[in-house]
Amino acid sequence: AQRVTQPEKLLSVFKGAPVELKCNYSYSGSPELFWYVQYSRQRLQLLLRHISRESIKGFTADLNKGETSFHLKKPFAQEEDSAMYYCALGSNDYKLSFGAGTTVTVRA
Amino acid sequence: ETGVTQSPTHLIKTRGQQVTLRCSSQSGHNTVSWYQQALGQGPQFIFQYYREEENGRGNFPPRFSGLQFPNYSSELNVNALELDDSALYLCASSPDRQSSYEQYFGPGTRLTVT
Repeated sequence: AQRVTQPEKLLSVFKGAPVELKCNYSYSGSPELFWYVQYSRQRLQLLLRHISRESIKGFTADLNKGETSFHLKKPFAQEEDSAMYYCALGSNDYKLSFGAGTTVTVRA
Repeated sequence: ETGVTQSPTHLIKTRGQQVTLRCSSQSGHNTVSWYQQALGQGPQFIFQYYREEENGRGNFPPRFSGLQFPNYSSELNVNALELDDSALYLCASSPDRQSSYEQYFGPGTRLTVT
């Protein structure tokens, strides 16, 4: 069975400081990992996926199969980054499993 | 391009009743997934429909059932409602089954069971 763990419920950083959201997963197959984000009063939306290896809004995430992690990082946090972030794992039965989420607050 | 829509926005039901939630997928999308999101939790996968057939199911009992119509809109039906079914129900559509992880979410239906 697949499982996604986000150990931090809340994360508070100052504007301009680095931010890292932790995500660990367990899955016996070859995983596809994603980060979804929900800004205040908006819908849940895809932020980035490991397979594309792109940077979106300054965020990057590297899949580390040895540590079974997919941490999300941004070197300089902005106030507009305040949101709820969910790590998600795609398994080969088309199922997307989400973590419990991390609420990020960026303070001025 | 019309996004994913869900109805109703809010719903209050009594334990033991049945409920139907509706979802219209984004234009051009043929795959629909349903999720249950309890307070303080991430979305939990209920099932997925692709071209009117169930294409995967999470750990939910059979009283959670669904349909997908020829226009790719979808319904989620829950029978014999329990208090623990109180949650936000999210619908998400994808362009096709192969890219089903790229999901476009609706605003959700808030179900309260009393």
